[in-house]
Amino acid sequence: KNEVEQSPQNLTAQEGEFITINCSYSVGISALHWLQQHPGGGIVSLFMLSSGKKKHGRLIATINIQEKHSSLHITASHPRDSAVYICAVRSGGGADGLTFGKGTHLIIQP
Amino acid sequence: DGGITQSPKYLFRKEGQNVTLSCEQNLNHDAMYWYRQDPGQGLRLIYYSQIVNDFQKGDIAEGYSVSREKKESFPLTVTSAQKNPTAFYLCASSWGYNQPQHFGDGTRLSIL
Repeated sequence: KNEVEQSPQNLTAQEGEFITINCSYSVGISALHWLQQHPGGGIVSLFMLSSGKKKHGRLIATINIQEKHSSLHITASHPRDSAVYICAVRSGGGADGLTFGKGTHLIIQP
Repeated sequence: DGGITQSPKYLFRKEGQNVTLSCEQNLNHDAMYWYRQDPGQGLRLIYYSQIVNDFQKGDIAEGYSVSREKKESFPLTVTSAQKNPTAFYLCASSWGYNQPQHFGDGTRLSIL
């Protein structure tokens, strides 16, 4: 079973700072997801990637398959980016659900 | 707007009672999932369904049951056999098993 580790667990930064959240996993995967969970609990899917890099607005996600590692970057961070960011992986060809990290709690202060 | 609707948002149950959480999607997705979230832990898979009238146990299925009689609906029943049911429950759906999952807003279940 895949083990998913995220770091840091908690991160507080000032508005405008460049943010990096890391995710590592133990077993080869077919896809990695980055999710955003807001205080009310609802979850939004940010990225799904299996190689390389994806960008959407101020968010950038990268993955290194050989190193079993992914990063989520936020440029020009804003208080509205404050949320829990969750990394999740799908291992191999399994048809079941995802394996999730515990999340990184991000607070951006004005 | 297409999406996933979970109801109710908050649910209280007396010990020994079964309770059913609703999950409806109008995205025409084939696959649906139920996850449980506890404080300080990652989401864990309870049950999933790839097509109508078929579903599979996830990592923590004991004490739960599901049905998938319609493509758009995947209700989860928390039975009295579930010893620690207090948690946040999230439903998700996707086109297929290796596609992005869309999540509902969750149901928070508490035991009275």
